[in-house]
Amino acid sequence: GAGVSQSPRYKVAKRGQDVALRCDPISGHVSLFWYQQALGQGPEFLTYFQNEAQLDKSGLPSDRFFAERPEGSVSTLKIQRTQQEDSAVYLCASSVPTSGGLTGELFFGEGSRLTVL
Amino acid sequence: GENVEQHPSTLSVQEGDSAVIKCTYSDSASNYFPWYKQELGKGPQLIIDIRSNVGEKKDQRIAVTLNKTAKHFSLHITETQPEDSAVYFCAASIGISNTGNQFYFGTGTSLTVIP
Repeated sequence: GAGVSQSPRYKVAKRGQDVALRCDPISGHVSLFWYQQALGQGPEFLTYFQNEAQLDKSGLPSDRFFAERPEGSVSTLKIQRTQQEDSAVYLCASSVPTSGGLTGELFFGEGSRLTVL
Repeated sequence: GENVEQHPSTLSVQEGDSAVIKCTYSDSASNYFPWYKQELGKGPQLIIDIRSNVGEKKDQRIAVTLNKTAKHFSLHITETQPEDSAVYFCAASIGISNTGNQFYFGTGTSLTVIP
């Protein structure tokens, strides 16, 4: 497809279960971001990849959160032993730098809504 | 780290009137300021952005102004239409792609345009 694709769109998990959220960025986009968006709030940064390298993971809230992008394209955000406070929409975005090396437009997927019971 | 504040949180305007949303930021290193529109159940979509080397940018009915000294930037929508109703987010970042830079988002403004 032409845009950023995320799956699943909706996920309900029991507390303590592990979940995996997938992001398929726009082809050729080297930069990939994960954001967490709580209800009524703005997106909060989780982690950033440039190709397969995870350059910044300072926003991951705990060691239960793990992200990877092994081949520099598809990325997976994994949450282990889910807690109720993990309930949120998880947004993935990709971008490509401008010719001058500046940050380009972020293209967001539609998000994965996680509900932890 | 960067702190972005956005006001108002909700805004209702009559169709055809103008809407203004304001944001402030704290980190003087930030130099890229995009605005996103988010419709229900969708991801945010870029509507306009500005870099710190300019003070104003306009695209049809949408304009953004930036005051680097005061560290604030604003979104202006003129001749509002019902389809402008959505949540709008401002953001700030360092704007250099290879620094692993973060985008810091405001808390959003829910705009309702009343027909």
